[in-house]
Amino acid sequence: DAGVIQSPRHEVTEMGQEVTLRCKPISGHNSLFWYRQTMMRGLELLIYFNNNVPIDDSGMPEDRFSAKMPNASFSTLKIQPSEPRDSAVYFCASSLGGGRDKDSPLHFGNGTRLTVT
Amino acid sequence: GNSVTQMEGPVTLSEEAFLTINCTYTATGYPSLFWYVQYPGEGLQLLLKATKADDKGSNKGFEATYRKETTSFHLEKGSVQVSDSAVYFCALSSTDSWGKLQFGAGTQVVVTP
Repeated sequence: DAGVIQSPRHEVTEMGQEVTLRCKPISGHNSLFWYRQTMMRGLELLIYFNNNVPIDDSGMPEDRFSAKMPNASFSTLKIQPSEPRDSAVYFCASSLGGGRDKDSPLHFGNGTRLTVT
Repeated sequence: GNSVTQMEGPVTLSEEAFLTINCTYTATGYPSLFWYVQYPGEGLQLLLKATKADDKGSNKGFEATYRKETTSFHLEKGSVQVSDSAVYFCALSSTDSWGKLQFGAGTQVVVTP
């Protein structure tokens, strides 16, 4: 049973470049979440989708960040242009929940470690 | 709003010692509570959960009881092993959170042989 799949596992890029992170949620899950993890800030929710529709993007740090979910099996998080302070581990997670469901756990991918030099 | 507070780490203990990680929460209504574990270089994995007051979640020797009167969900394990070294996150989800999880800051646990 495949879990949440993220690619790439590691990304090193120079400041100003565009970065695209990819996520394939677990089949049948209808909610998808993008988190960012840093030592300073811990886990931060950036955006989440329910049935492919963005529900809340208030965690997206600024206009340089954008996320899409064109279908139920794929999502991207894009940073353009990237900056050194964007260096972090980015996690994608999916769940069966959404709406008023509070019991469904999140299933996390192994993350993409982004380094912007 | 919802919030989760857990004890700061790192917590360092010897193999076979008893582990407790405190977690308290603030939430409206009746949230569901979760413990996640993160091993180095990996994503978070669900360790256990409890969805209503007095429920006890358990998995891999870990236990936590949903205490509404003290708004707590402390994680315990009677005899830790070196392989339990990881970062542990307490989290909650409520009916008004659309499935979002509110995470605590995480507690690093280091178990030495």
